[in-house]
Amino acid sequence: DAMVIQNPRYQVTQFGKPVTLSCSQTLNHNVMYWYQQKSSQAPKLLFHYYDKDFNNEADTPDNFQSRRPNTSFCFLDIRSPGLGDAAMYLCATSRVIRVGGNTEAFFGQGTRLTVV
Amino acid sequence: GESVGLHLPTLSVQEGDNSIINCAYSNSASDYFIWYKQESGKGPQFIIDIRSNMDKRQGQRVTVLLNKTVKHLSLQIAATQPGDSAVYFCAENGDQGGKLIFGQGTELSVKP
Repeated sequence: DAMVIQNPRYQVTQFGKPVTLSCSQTLNHNVMYWYQQKSSQAPKLLFHYYDKDFNNEADTPDNFQSRRPNTSFCFLDIRSPGLGDAAMYLCATSRVIRVGGNTEAFFGQGTRLTVV
Repeated sequence: GESVGLHLPTLSVQEGDNSIINCAYSNSASDYFIWYKQESGKGPQFIIDIRSNMDKRQGQRVTVLLNKTVKHLSLQIAATQPGDSAVYFCAENGDQGGKLIFGQGTELSVKP
């Protein structure tokens, strides 16, 4: 059974038209991540939530925003998609205990975004 | 800044041989490392992990070695099979806040 679910699997959006990608999890993990992955490249961390605390990477464009209304759901909003934003977007979750440290992250199957 | 990188972008091996995939990391404060396997069109899949208080950990057909002195991580796959063909990434948790950074990746190709 899928534990990290991303919808949709494929998304086509128009240049400049706002788009939202969604992620849900059944693991009750406290950390959720969004990554951007382009062809033949490693996943690039955009931001992550540690509980309700939002952590933005310094090089993540302002065009990318995120919301986490509750533990189970996290959204990636792209305010004005450009052609360069076409990529696979991966959501992941993990359980992190500050004293004990980190644990493995579980990934969804990704949403492949096409910008036309 | 923090970075995790790989020495070899591609690796081709014969079925049945052992494979070794390498990774270098730069954040000496990192205390947790993970190897992921990613097949085409899918999300990364956990293979094995290791904490910084260990230098070796074994799983089924896989072994991860950690050398903190030179900040080097390796993944060894025994008796490589065609189903092992994929891209392999190392990832690094550099802080207690859960931040997870990926290395460059190595594409493993297994010849029958």
